[in-house]
Amino acid sequence: SQTIHQWPATLVQPVGSPLSLECTVEGTSNPNLYWYRQAAGRGLQLLFYSIGIDQISSEVPQNLSASRPQDRQFILSSKKLLLSDSGFYLCAWAPTGTEAFFGQGTRLTVV
Amino acid sequence: AQSVTQLGSHVSVSEGALVLLRCNYSSSVPPYLFWYVQYPNQGLQLLLKYTTGATLVKGINGFEAEFKKSETSFHLTKPSAHMSDAAEYFCAVSSQAGTALIFGKGTTLSVSS
Repeated sequence: SQTIHQWPATLVQPVGSPLSLECTVEGTSNPNLYWYRQAAGRGLQLLFYSIGIDQISSEVPQNLSASRPQDRQFILSSKKLLLSDSGFYLCAWAPTGTEAFFGQGTRLTVV
Repeated sequence: AQSVTQLGSHVSVSEGALVLLRCNYSSSVPPYLFWYVQYPNQGLQLLLKYTTGATLVKGINGFEAEFKKSETSFHLTKPSAHMSDAAEYFCAVSSQAGTALIFGKGTTLSVSS
C-alpha cells in the first residue's frame, strides 16, 4: 500500500534562516506531488505541484521554492525565512484525477 | 479556473442533530468533488468523493453528500451528530484533467452535548 512521510512534525526557526521540509511517498511510482500551506481561517493554499522529476509548477509567488530530485521525493525550501512563512505545511500525493492523500503536516513557527 | 466557497466558517450543532455543511464550486469543466476532515495538528482525511455516476455519495463515519450540477453545490450532511465529529471540514474540487485539488477555506464543526 502507499504511504506518505513528511518531516519534521514541528519546527521553530529564526527569521532569516533557511528551511528544508522533506516529503517522500512509498508504494507508488510517478505520483503527482503537492505542497499546501494552511493558515488559520484561510484554508489550504496550493504552493507547488509536480507531475514528475524536475517538473514543478508554482501557484503563488513567494519566499519559497520546491524541488523534486527523485520520483517520490518532494522538498520545500527557503533561503531566508520571513515571519509570514509561519504556518502548517502539508505534503500530498495523488493519482491523476482522483483524491489526494496527505502527510501529517509540519507546524513551522518563524520567530 | 476552479474555486470553492464554503458557506459558514463555523457551524455549531447539538449531539444528535442534523449536520449540514455547505459547499459551492465553480468549474468550467466537469468537476471532481471531495470532502476532507482534519483533526487538530493532523493531516487531512478523505470523507467522500464524487467523480462520475451516482450524484449521492456516501462516505465514512455516516457522512454523505449530493452533487447538484444545477446549483453547483456539494453539501455535506450527517443525520445525527456525534461528539467525535467535531473537527474542521474542507471541500475541494479538481477535474478529470488531473489538476491539483483546490480547497475551500474550511468549516469548523462544533458539537455540544
